[in-house]
Amino acid sequence: AQSVTQPDIHITVSEGASLELRCNYSYGATPYLFWYVQSPGQGLQLLLKYFSGDTLVQGIKGFEAEFKRSQSSFNLRKPSVHWSDAAEYFCAVGALIQGAQKLVFGQGTRLTINP
Amino acid sequence: SAVISQKPSRDICQRGTSLTIQCQVDSQVTMMFWYRQQPGQSLTLIATANQGSEATYESGFVIDKFPISRPNLTFSTLTVSNMSPEDSSIYLCSSESLNTEAFFGQGTRLTVV
Repeated sequence: AQSVTQPDIHITVSEGASLELRCNYSYGATPYLFWYVQSPGQGLQLLLKYFSGDTLVQGIKGFEAEFKRSQSSFNLRKPSVHWSDAAEYFCAVGALIQGAQKLVFGQGTRLTINP
Repeated sequence: SAVISQKPSRDICQRGTSLTIQCQVDSQVTMMFWYRQQPGQSLTLIATANQGSEATYESGFVIDKFPISRPNLTFSTLTVSNMSPEDSSIYLCSSESLNTEAFFGQGTRLTVV
């Protein structure tokens, strides 16, 4: 069955430090992969997506993610975080399930930024 | 890009009552999806709504509890029926496709007392 695992429930980093959020997926075919961010009281905003081609994808707000098929991973990175990056981050895989296109989300990682 | 307007943004409801949540998309979309996000949890798909057909519900969700309408390609509603405190969640709608960006409404924060 399709699944997404985000091993880290909560991460705290200092402002200006680098960030990596982990995501592992399970899907039998070539996956479509997404990272979304949810700020408190807000809906979800797409940070970046991978469909094919270059395995290193650039997103908004200075984020990037690398697709590693051998590790079934799609980790999100940012070289220097800002206080405004504090939010909940969700990794998702797009899958064909029973003939319908659906998104399967990970449990989310809550990012806290220390000043 | 598509913009999804969802309302209400929040509500506090008495147990036993029902609440209808509306989602309006600024462009025509084939499929719309409704999710529930329980406190501190990830998004769980409730159902998929296609225009002109009955919604398809995920395991654990039933039409009697969460009736959905999809009268046209830009609009959908989700009703949370006979509410109990366990229904307190954020409900989100989205239009999505595998190979294009998925767009989400801002969510409806429901508290049942």
